[in-house]
Amino acid sequence: DTGVSQNPRHKITKRGQNVTFRCDPISEHNRLYWYRQTLGQGPEFLTYFQNEAQLEKSRLLSDRFSAERPKGSFSTLEIQRTEQGDSAMYLCASSLMGTDYEQYFGPGTRLTVT
Amino acid sequence: AQKVTQAQTEISVVEKEDVTLDCVYETRDTTYYLFWYKQPPSGELVFLIRRNSFDEQNEISGRYSWNFQKSTSSFNFTITASQVVDSAVYFCALSEAFGNEKLTFGTGTRLTIIP
Repeated sequence: DTGVSQNPRHKITKRGQNVTFRCDPISEHNRLYWYRQTLGQGPEFLTYFQNEAQLEKSRLLSDRFSAERPKGSFSTLEIQRTEQGDSAMYLCASSLMGTDYEQYFGPGTRLTVT
Repeated sequence: AQKVTQAQTEISVVEKEDVTLDCVYETRDTTYYLFWYKQPPSGELVFLIRRNSFDEQNEISGRYSWNFQKSTSSFNFTITASQVVDSAVYFCALSEAFGNEKLTFGTGTRLTIIP
């Protein structure tokens, strides 16, 4: 059983550019979460999906951020017009609702905005 | 609103010593879950334990043990006979029991085991 995978693992971009990250959850998991972690802090919730429906977005998720989960499988997180404050580790997690609710995390995508 | 406080930012102990990581939480929910995750230098969060609010029994798993006390809103984690491989950042987290189960994390405790 493969775990959660995220691509790319690292991304360096210039301020103002758009970036897109991908998350592939554990295959049978119906819930998918995005978190952001800055240096020295715990992960902060951004948004989550149940199947293909995006059910909640944090106030942290400005209108420059958009997430999708077409067909309820992989998910993408896009940041438009990146700012230096967007530099962080973006973590994806998945879980299977109705069982143990444990969230399994991927290795993260580290974004550096220069 | 939910909140998790890990007051210990960094702890260093000599190998084989016991160490306890503190976690205090706040929630208005009567039913909730508490978690501990480990984040080694590689960066990937590793699940250690989940506890629901109705189960106050302490749990032991090998060298790890957890003390859940609802009266003090604490969920502390003890490592017995610490090893160098235990060096990592440890996060305590909280989620509501019903709904989206999003995790609210503390700021973490960086544990360094000195050989």
